[in-house]
Amino acid sequence: EAEVAQSPRYKITEKSQAVAFWCDPISGHATLYWYRQILGQGPELLVQFQDESVVDDSQLPKDRFSAERLKGVDSTLKIQPAELGDSAMYLCASSAPRGLAGGQVFFGPGTRLTVL
Amino acid sequence: AQKITQTQPGMFVQEKEAVTLDCTYDTSDPSYGLFWYKQPSSGEMIFLIYQGSYDQQNATEGRYSLNFQKARKSANLVISASQLGDSAMYFCAMREIGETGANSKLTFGKGITLSVRP
Repeated sequence: EAEVAQSPRYKITEKSQAVAFWCDPISGHATLYWYRQILGQGPELLVQFQDESVVDDSQLPKDRFSAERLKGVDSTLKIQPAELGDSAMYLCASSAPRGLAGGQVFFGPGTRLTVL
Repeated sequence: AQKITQTQPGMFVQEKEAVTLDCTYDTSDPSYGLFWYKQPSSGEMIFLIYQGSYDQQNATEGRYSLNFQKARKSANLVISASQLGDSAMYFCAMREIGETGANSKLTFGKGITLSVRP
């Protein structure tokens, strides 16, 4: 069964350090999302890709966060420098090509980040 | 304005009974989809059920059904015959399609904690 892959599953870092998360969506899924979920809250979108292009990064803190999907397949989310408030679950998701309104959105297992 | 509203406090249900989790939404887009996800303590987001704005019938998936009331803009999740393993956070989410036909983001509510008592 196709799955969205993410690594690492857990990451502990100290503030001011750099961290990077990787996501491999389901094969053929053109849309890729990065969400951040603070404990006890709903996920919030950080960035959305359609193929290799950024569709929505309005909520991405661009002074410290960056995201890329160079070949339109896997994606990397980076934080530099990490701050205490960045501690959260980072979820990657993918969905079917454009136009399939009912397309399911599949989530990966997430990366739980702790910043000390 | 909040697009997805989940206002119930933590919910409790007795094992084998049914429970309804409320969700209201706000959109001016005629084409949209409504999703429910379950998130256990492990953190994974598990898809439960989907309802399209043009679907004539309420969606059902096993023990899950969606009570879709379009005029009221509500999409409540009904879980029948609750099991201990149903204890988790439940999130309602919406995706609008827009004029270009491109998939927009999923917008989530704040979630509801469900606890199933033995």
